[in-house]
Amino acid sequence: AQSVTQPDIHITVSEGASLELRCNYSYGATPYLFWYVQSPGQGLQLLLKYFSGDTLVQGIKGFEAEFKRSQSSFNLRKPSVHWSDAAEYFCAVAGFQKLVFGTGTRLLVSP
Amino acid sequence: DAGVIQSPRHEVTEMGQEVTLRCKPISGHDYLFWYRQTMMRGLELLIYFNNNVPIDDSGMPEDRFSAKMPNASFSTLKIQPSEPRDSAVYFCASSSGTGETQYFGPGTRLLVL
Repeated sequence: AQSVTQPDIHITVSEGASLELRCNYSYGATPYLFWYVQSPGQGLQLLLKYFSGDTLVQGIKGFEAEFKRSQSSFNLRKPSVHWSDAAEYFCAVAGFQKLVFGTGTRLLVSP
Repeated sequence: DAGVIQSPRHEVTEMGQEVTLRCKPISGHDYLFWYRQTMMRGLELLIYFNNNVPIDDSGMPEDRFSAKMPNASFSTLKIQPSEPRDSAVYFCASSSGTGETQYFGPGTRLLVL
């Protein structure tokens, strides 16, 4: 069965610093992978997705993620974090007809 | 497109009352998903539909929960009777196909007293 692990429950980053959120997945075939962001009191918004092709995927708000098959990882990165990036981030893998979500990583941005 | 629409946005009710949550998916999307989010359990898939037909309801917690999709543009999630432990944010999402991006609604924040 598909599964997603986000090992970090909370991460604190200083504004302007770089960010990397970890995501590991378990899936037998070539995965479809997603990163979503949830701001407080809001629904989930798609940041980016990987289906095939270039393993470095660009998303909205300056985010990118790199698919590494050998490590079963799909880590999310941003070179310079803004205070408005404080939110919860969910990694997901597409299973049969549905998405399997990780438990999320809450990002705190310090001044 | 207006995106996925959910109503109400907030609901406060007393234990034992019936609660009905509503969802309008994005036009043309064949899949509709209902999720529940709590601090303790995170994001849980309750049920999903394909072409208005329930495909997998294994996530529905118990018989007090039911969901319907009478047509392609409307779905309901009903809790009867409601209990305090049902307090959560309930999200509806839709997508255009298997493995495709799911688009989420803003959620319904339910509080059962």
